[in-house]
Amino acid sequence: AQTIHQWPVAEIKAVGSPLSLGCTIKGKSSPNLYWYWQATGGTLQQLFYSITVGQVESVVQLNLSASRPKDDQFILSTEKLLLSHSGFYLCAWSKTGEAPLFGEGTRLSVL
Amino acid sequence: SQWGEENLQALSIQEGEDVTMNCSYKTYTTVVHWYRQDSGRGPALIILIRSNEREKRSGRLRATLDTSSQSSSLSITAAQCEDTAVYFCASSDNMGYKLTFGTGTSLLVDP
Repeated sequence: AQTIHQWPVAEIKAVGSPLSLGCTIKGKSSPNLYWYWQATGGTLQQLFYSITVGQVESVVQLNLSASRPKDDQFILSTEKLLLSHSGFYLCAWSKTGEAPLFGEGTRLSVL
Repeated sequence: SQWGEENLQALSIQEGEDVTMNCSYKTYTTVVHWYRQDSGRGPALIILIRSNEREKRSGRLRATLDTSSQSSSLSITAAQCEDTAVYFCASSDNMGYKLTFGTGTSLLVDP
């Protein structure tokens, strides 16, 4: 069974519209959770991480926010999309001291 | 070598050849992760090497870490077509909450 599930798989959104991307981890207790962004053909940029429910740390500001409403859920959102938000969004999980393991990502196109 | 503001590097080799990819890290690092990313998919961890290890092997893969020069390398022996992917190095401290990725190396293995 897949440990990490991201939704949706792909989105096409208009500039200025809101966005919500989700990530669920199955079968892991108190995982560390991460959001990354990757431009087409580019490297991965870490956006946020969360060690515990209700607490999220920002790594880079991209006019995005993240929340962790449950132990196994991580949400990435914004109220107003920019063209520069286009790209590949990746959720990952780990135990402390271990390497993050990634989901299959959400492809976002902002038009 | 991959890091910083460099563009994604590209390597093209023939099946059966050996290849080495290099990575240098700028900040204090105790762990280097090597990931491979297939087109349209999330990165997959292939090898992790810590600062107390000079070399790590996994099948045809060999990673090295030189803390004095702040560099790491990933070698693939007798490359196969299925090794075609983008390879990223990433560095972190022991806690691993923040991961900094290199620019990546695109490897193409021709039959």
